[in-house]
Amino acid sequence: SQQGEEDPQALSIQEGENATMNCSYKTSINNLQWYRQNSGRGLVHLILIRSNEREKHSGRLRVTLDTSKKSSSLLITASRAADTASYFCATDANAGGTSYGKLTFGQGTILTVHP
Amino acid sequence: DAGVIQSPRHEVTEMGQEVTLRCKPISGHDYLFWYRQTMMRGLELLIYFNNNVPIDDSGMPEDRFSAKMPNASFSTLKIQPSEPRDSAVYFCASSLLGVLGLNNEQFFGPGTRLTVL
Repeated sequence: SQQGEEDPQALSIQEGENATMNCSYKTSINNLQWYRQNSGRGLVHLILIRSNEREKHSGRLRVTLDTSKKSSSLLITASRAADTASYFCATDANAGGTSYGKLTFGQGTILTVHP
Repeated sequence: DAGVIQSPRHEVTEMGQEVTLRCKPISGHDYLFWYRQTMMRGLELLIYFNNNVPIDDSGMPEDRFSAKMPNASFSTLKIQPSEPRDSAVYFCASSLLGVLGLNNEQFFGPGTRLTVL
């Protein structure tokens, strides 16, 4: 079963608006990561937030993590047409304080930013 | 570094043929992952290796699929015989476990688009 579940499945906005995507997961984690995939390309890492962190920023990206609710959100501010892509959350499950070494990816959110 | 390298980028073959996909991970990375992506099933982890040793192959769909990692700089994913339902994009990714034993980011290759007719 999928560890990460993104919401919404698809999001369509206008350039300049903010985009918010959510991710829920089921088990205890070491960290949660967000990836971006442009059409026909491999996934690219955007940002990593550790289980003891609540918020993290990187440029126009803001990620929050609520371990009590087992959820995370990715906010892209002042979106651009070039942000059009699929966005995936991925969790590194806690294996007794370390990692299993693998990530579990969600189904992704398709973001379309209209110019 | 050139990143994760995959070959071929596109493969079109006929049902029943053997297909071999190749991957060169980033130098120094100790984990290598093979994924399959389709519209219907999304991104699926097929198998992953740590220091060239397969750790978990529970995602490999059938015995027709096999993967090897003979050394730290090369891995193959083989499908024999191939079937139309194997058509998908296959990604290879690599990563380096952090000092605290916690997972770091994965670096993905460009993928191999496989079409089985």
